[in-house]
Amino acid sequence: DQQVKQNSPSLSVQEGRISILNCDYTNSMFDYFLWYKKYPAEGPTFLISISSIKDKNEDGRFTVFLNKSAKHLSLHIVPSQPGDSAVYFCAASANEGGSEKLVFGKGMKLTVNP
Amino acid sequence: DTGVSQNPRHKITKRGQNVTFRCDPISEHNRLYWYRQTLGQGPEFLTYFQNEAQLEKSRLLSDRFSAERPKGSFSTLEIQRTEQGDSAMYLCASSLSGGLWAFFGQGTRLTVV
Repeated sequence: DQQVKQNSPSLSVQEGRISILNCDYTNSMFDYFLWYKKYPAEGPTFLISISSIKDKNEDGRFTVFLNKSAKHLSLHIVPSQPGDSAVYFCAASANEGGSEKLVFGKGMKLTVNP
Repeated sequence: DTGVSQNPRHKITKRGQNVTFRCDPISEHNRLYWYRQTLGQGPEFLTYFQNEAQLEKSRLLSDRFSAERPKGSFSTLEIQRTEQGDSAMYLCASSLSGGLWAFFGQGTRLTVV
């Protein structure tokens, strides 16, 4: 069963506009959520995270919103830049037993057109 | 320290052969993870070490897979009697205990022919 779902496989936006990437989860025990960005032939790179005790976290052009009641989070990128073109993974952890293993979604390919 | 290092970057092997991958984590990180990523999927957790102790293994890690982290430094992942279904990107990550996120290496792409 897919505990972390990214239902849209791809998104294309114009440079300067907002990119909104969505993620849903099913496990109520998840208490920490992360977004990773991945370029071809590279490993995932951490982008931004949010604890379940918050509903928003902002870092420069990137903002993550968490709606616990809906088990939904989203990543907003404003303004989008061509260098943001990559695959974005939503991930979650439950911190069971102190482990921070991550459960990932399938990823979504973002293309930002100049 | 330039990050998590994985070797080799690519490995092509014949079905039935054994392969071993190496991961060198960020030096001060005591936690080390192995993940596997297949085409169109996100990374899937395989196993996790804290220092030299292997604390958790996924049911994805069949008995053909073994991982070690001697002395709590680098780690190796061995796959015995490889099968075509083992073809994937194998990712290593490291973090500090209590750290908020893990740092990933570039991965080892395994192709079993």
